[in-house]
Amino acid sequence: GEDVEQSLFLSVREGDSSVINCTYTDSSSTYLYWYKQEPGAGLQLLTYIFSNMDMKQDQRLTVLLNKKDKHLSLRIADTQTGDSAIYFCAESTGANNLFFGTGTRLTVIP
Amino acid sequence: GAVVSQHPSWVICKSGTSVKIECRSLDFQATTMFWYRQFPKQSLMLMATSNEGSKATYEQGVEKDKFLINHASLTLSTLTVTSAHPEDSSFYICSARAGAGIESPLHFGNGTRLTVT
Repeated sequence: GEDVEQSLFLSVREGDSSVINCTYTDSSSTYLYWYKQEPGAGLQLLTYIFSNMDMKQDQRLTVLLNKKDKHLSLRIADTQTGDSAIYFCAESTGANNLFFGTGTRLTVIP
Repeated sequence: GAVVSQHPSWVICKSGTSVKIECRSLDFQATTMFWYRQFPKQSLMLMATSNEGSKATYEQGVEKDKFLINHASLTLSTLTVTSAHPEDSSFYICSARAGAGIESPLHFGNGTRLTVT
């Protein structure tokens, strides 16, 4: 089955850039997503990228996709304390479902 | 943007009772909604796909008689945890796709934290 992996923890200083990485195994992935989850809350869609794109930028967020290596990353520029949360990548293969990574807990140090 | 409302946000119930969780799409119609379960410090696990007007599709290992799903309208799906036990304590999250195509991203409710005593 599909396997989506992320590193569990990331700490950065306020104002620095954060890069959260994700790898997946299914080469037929069509869309890849980044979600943010704050404590006790549901998931908030941050951004998504179609599999035929290499990069997508949305304000402080930059998504890079290396389809050959099945590697997805989310860069957050000028990271703020409010960015502290768990970030999930997810991939969709065209079926009506998403497969989530394990989540990366981002801690921003003031 | 598309909003999915989930209610209640938390519930405490006694072992053996049933609990109903509602998931509503507030500004769009959703023929399909999804129910996930999240254990502490873990990722989301898809439990079932809720289809408006038909039976839900359950993932392997999820007891359909335990987790009853009803999708009676295009804006409402409910998950009922029947005869709840402490091991059912978890964070339950629903989602819906605001559009017909796969390119439409899933929008999530804020989740329901269920504690069974």
